[in-house]
Amino acid sequence: NAGVMQNPRHLVRRRGQEARLRCSPMKGHSHVYWYRQLPEEGLKFMVYLQKENIIDESGMPKERFSAEFPKEGPSILRIQQVVRGDSAAYFCASSPGLAGVMSYEQYFGPGTRLTVT
Amino acid sequence: GNSVTQMEGPVTLSEEAFLTINCTYTATGYPSLFWYVQYPGEGLQLLLKATKADDKGSNKGFEATYRKETTSFHLEKGSVQVSDSAVYFCAWMDSSYKLIFGSGTRLLVRP
Repeated sequence: NAGVMQNPRHLVRRRGQEARLRCSPMKGHSHVYWYRQLPEEGLKFMVYLQKENIIDESGMPKERFSAEFPKEGPSILRIQQVVRGDSAAYFCASSPGLAGVMSYEQYFGPGTRLTVT
Repeated sequence: GNSVTQMEGPVTLSEEAFLTINCTYTATGYPSLFWYVQYPGEGLQLLLKATKADDKGSNKGFEATYRKETTSFHLEKGSVQVSDSAVYFCAWMDSSYKLIFGSGTRLLVRP
């Protein structure tokens, strides 16, 4: 059973370009979470999605950032007009999302390391 | 506000030494608590968890006990190995199922 897949693993963008980060959850998981890790810091929650729904986006910056999890295909985190401060590791996690709190146990992907030059 | 406080690293130990990494949390209610481990260049792996007060999570020789009275979830291991060198994150899950992480503690184990 494949784990959470993220691609690309490394992404370099110039300031002003767009970055698209993809996350395929574990098989059977319908909930996806995105976290950002700045250098030497812990992970900070960005957004929580179910298929075709944004459940909680309280950690997303108000501008330039968006996320989706379509009915088919991976979840996408999109950053428009990137700036140097967006350089970070972006991790995706998935959970089954069934009844019971432990069904929300999150399994993490390897991350995408975004560098903005 | 809601947060997790971990002891600052790096923590440097010799092989077979005893490990403690302190973690305290500020949260409403009684959240589920977790320890994650991150090896260099990799994502986070769940190390252990506890869902209610006095629960003890354990895995690979690591243990942590959910202490409601001190709002703590300290990570311990009796005898560390070089392969345990990594960054360890304490976290709790809030009522909307997102994880609140501490800033991480880097562990370096010398042969």
